[in-house]
Amino acid sequence: GENVEQHPSTLSVQEGDSAVIKCTYSDSASNYFPWYKQELGKRPQLIIDIRSNVGEKKDQRIAVTLNKTAKHFSLHITETQPEDSAVYFCAADTRRGRMNSGYALNFGKGTSLLVTP
Amino acid sequence: GAVVSQHPSRVICKSGTSVKIECRSLDFQATTMFWYRQFPKQSLMLMATSNEGSKATYEQGVEKDKFLINHASLTLSTLTVTSAHPEDSSFYICSARAHETQYFGPGTRLLVL
Repeated sequence: GENVEQHPSTLSVQEGDSAVIKCTYSDSASNYFPWYKQELGKRPQLIIDIRSNVGEKKDQRIAVTLNKTAKHFSLHITETQPEDSAVYFCAADTRRGRMNSGYALNFGKGTSLLVTP
Repeated sequence: GAVVSQHPSRVICKSGTSVKIECRSLDFQATTMFWYRQFPKQSLMLMATSNEGSKATYEQGVEKDKFLINHASLTLSTLTVTSAHPEDSSFYICSARAHETQYFGPGTRLLVL
């Protein structure tokens, strides 16, 4: 299927610093790009999403930017706190199959974020 | 946000047995649900798309005869792992779509001995 690439795979920052995670996608028909936070052994939790008619979206300390021409989107976390430590996944809504089988989320490989006090 | 429940949360079974996992959308109707599998320290891999009232659509490499999916109603999809083997041990997570947003169930941790 279509790929979603995510970088970096691990990221360590000091408390209060910013963290940036970047993703690229290949399906030009993708229009929806959510970010999920997953703590160990738990379900992925949606933290922010962006649709293709918007270039940037912000929710308190979290922001996401989208460049549809370049097919990449990024997650920005400012003023990081130890509780931000988790695995973050980007995803892109991707066409399934050739015969209009609908859309499903394809996930990046994840970024393990560690915020040290 | 919308709530998705999943049952059971944890299963330990012997090799060769079948395991059924239920996924429910509690406060909305979902014509489409998704089943993912996640191995330790890896990403979520889509196994299949479950469509209410019709056959599931499986991703390449996923055996449809081994992973049986039934979407009998707008709020319930089930995944049955038939003749489970130790390599099927994984974290299985379902997801349901509400207004373009996908919400995830809490997951089922399957351990096959």
